[in-house]
Amino acid sequence: AQTVTQSQPEMSVQEAETVTLSCTYDTSESDYYLFWYKQPPSRQMILVIRQEAYKQQNATENRFSVNFQKAAKSFSLKISDSQLGDAAMYFCAYVGAQGGSEKLVFGKGTKLTVNP
Amino acid sequence: SQTIHQWPATLVQPVGSPLSLECTVEGTSNPNLYWYRQAAGRGLQLLFYSIGIDQISSEVPQNLSASRPQDRQFILSSKKLLLSDSGFYLCAWSRGHSAGSPLHFGNGTRLTVT
Repeated sequence: AQTVTQSQPEMSVQEAETVTLSCTYDTSESDYYLFWYKQPPSRQMILVIRQEAYKQQNATENRFSVNFQKAAKSFSLKISDSQLGDAAMYFCAYVGAQGGSEKLVFGKGTKLTVNP
Repeated sequence: SQTIHQWPATLVQPVGSPLSLECTVEGTSNPNLYWYRQAAGRGLQLLFYSIGIDQISSEVPQNLSASRPQDRQFILSSKKLLLSDSGFYLCAWSRGHSAGSPLHFGNGTRLTVT
């Protein structure tokens, strides 16, 4: 079974600085998708970024970018120019490309604190 | 655009009472639908998913059940709540038959069983 590991339960960053959140996963599949979700104090889960495993190019969304290392099964999230509104729980998630139910497997999350 | 509605936002129920949480999706057809539970300080646990009306799969044996009476309606139920059912419940949808389609979540329901 696939697993997703986020080794940093908590991280902190100064406003305007850059922070990287780690995520590793275990799978025997060759084709899959990876996601980062953000859960602010309001508790709503918000999609931050999506990566397709067959694409070597790292996905970016404004201040958010990933470092996808397929061979190492690593998928880290970099947040540049951190803002107070970035404070949240961040979850890494994996889904295989086979099937159709899109059953995402989530990591346990990293709590990010942004200090003013 | 697609929207997902989940209610109620908060719920306090005594042990042994029934439960019904409802979720509806607008602006799309034949979505995949999901119920997740998030315990305090932990990640998300998939409870049920559905790829069509009356097609529901249970991921974790437990005190809960799910139903999908209409294409865009997903209901989470229990006949008798346990203390261990307390948690934050999230409904989500994704595009059916679309590999890699991200999940879109509702605002969640905080359930406290007393």
